[in-house]
Amino acid sequence: SQELEQSPQSLIVQEGKNLTINCTSSKTLYGLYWYKQKYGEGLIFLMMLQKGGEEKSHEKITAKLDEKKQQSSLHITASQPSHAGIYLCGADDRGNFNKFYFGSGTKLNVKP
Amino acid sequence: DTGVSQDPRHKITKRGQNVTFRCDPISEHNRLYWYRQTLGQGPEFLTYFQNEAQLEKSRLLSNRFSAERPKGSFSTLEIQRTEQGDSAMYLCASSLGDRTYGYTFGSGTRLTVV
Repeated sequence: SQELEQSPQSLIVQEGKNLTINCTSSKTLYGLYWYKQKYGEGLIFLMMLQKGGEEKSHEKITAKLDEKKQQSSLHITASQPSHAGIYLCGADDRGNFNKFYFGSGTKLNVKP
Repeated sequence: DTGVSQDPRHKITKRGQNVTFRCDPISEHNRLYWYRQTLGQGPEFLTYFQNEAQLEKSRLLSNRFSAERPKGSFSTLEIQRTEQGDSAMYLCASSLGDRTYGYTFGSGTRLTVV
């Protein structure tokens, strides 16, 4: 099975600071997805990365994929309290889009 | 409402009782998924439907669990003879199958078995 390890497990930052969350896969990555989850809520799709070296941005959130390292990073610039939540990376199970594996998440708190 | 709807949001049940959850996907999405999420963990795949056909099931889905999508629209997930270990958030998602956009998740049903 695909295993995704996220680091750090939790993070507390001061508003305005930058931060990075990492997701490392034990298997070949066919598609890497980033989601955000508010506590006790469903997941909100942020972005999907497929090709090595690919980088995507959405507002102040940027994600990159390093295919060789089987790793993705999510970077938030000038964090705001609205960025607080749990960030989850997910990946296709051997390219099967209809079956994802998720990391255990990174809990982010942003102090005003 | 154009999102994925799940009902109920919360369910507390006694051990041994049966429970049923409902998911209404985005109307034009032909694929529907069920995931289970326990505290501090990421979601785990349970099963997936393409239209009304259940195409894949996880080994996590024991014989006490059954999912249906009778007309290819809404889906139900039933758990029979609930156990305390079934306590979790049950998430439903839907998609058109375009990986670029991932899945659209509902807000989940939180089940507590007492």
